[in-house]
Amino acid sequence: AQSVTQLGSHVSVSEGALVLLRCNYSSSVPPYLFWYVQYPNQGLQLLLKYTTGATLVKGINGFEAEFKKSETSFHLTKPSAHMSDAAEYFCAVSPYNQGGKLIFGQGTELSVKP
Amino acid sequence: KAGVTQTPRYLIKTRGQQVTLSCSPISGHRSVSWYQQTPGQGLQFLFEYFSETQRNKGNFPGRFSGRQFSNSRSEMNVSTLELGDSALYLCASSLGRGLNEKLFFGSGTQLSVL
Repeated sequence: AQSVTQLGSHVSVSEGALVLLRCNYSSSVPPYLFWYVQYPNQGLQLLLKYTTGATLVKGINGFEAEFKKSETSFHLTKPSAHMSDAAEYFCAVSPYNQGGKLIFGQGTELSVKP
Repeated sequence: KAGVTQTPRYLIKTRGQQVTLSCSPISGHRSVSWYQQTPGQGLQFLFEYFSETQRNKGNFPGRFSGRQFSNSRSEMNVSTLELGDSALYLCASSLGRGLNEKLFFGSGTQLSVL
């Protein structure tokens, strides 16, 4: 069965610092991987996704993630944090041949200090 | 183009009652998925509908049910409510069911069971 583990339920960075949110997955087949962001009292918004091809994926708002098969990881990074990046971030995997179903990690709440 | 619309935004019910939540997908989207979000269990997949047929179901009791209408609008119903059903219920729509489909989430319905 596929699963997703996000390391660290809370991450705090200073404005302008590097953002690194960690995600490891478990999958017996090549996975489709996603990062979503959720702002307070809102639904989820897709940041980026990996399906096939280039392992470095660029998303919206300056975020990017790298798929590393050997490490079963899909960590999310942003070179310079902005106050508006404060939100909850979810890593997710799409089980093979199961349409709209996503398996989410527990989420990481990102705080950005001025 | 309007986004995914969920109604109502907030609901308060008592144990034993039933509740119906509504989701209107983005125009042209034919797939609707439902998720339950709680602090303890995180985001969990409930079910997915496509062309008025349930295509996938998560690990929830039979008290949770749903349906999709010919205009792709979807409803989910929870009968005999329990305190543990208190959660944010999110609906997501996509054009189709492919692995590469992008899910668009609504802002959710916050259900409180007293």
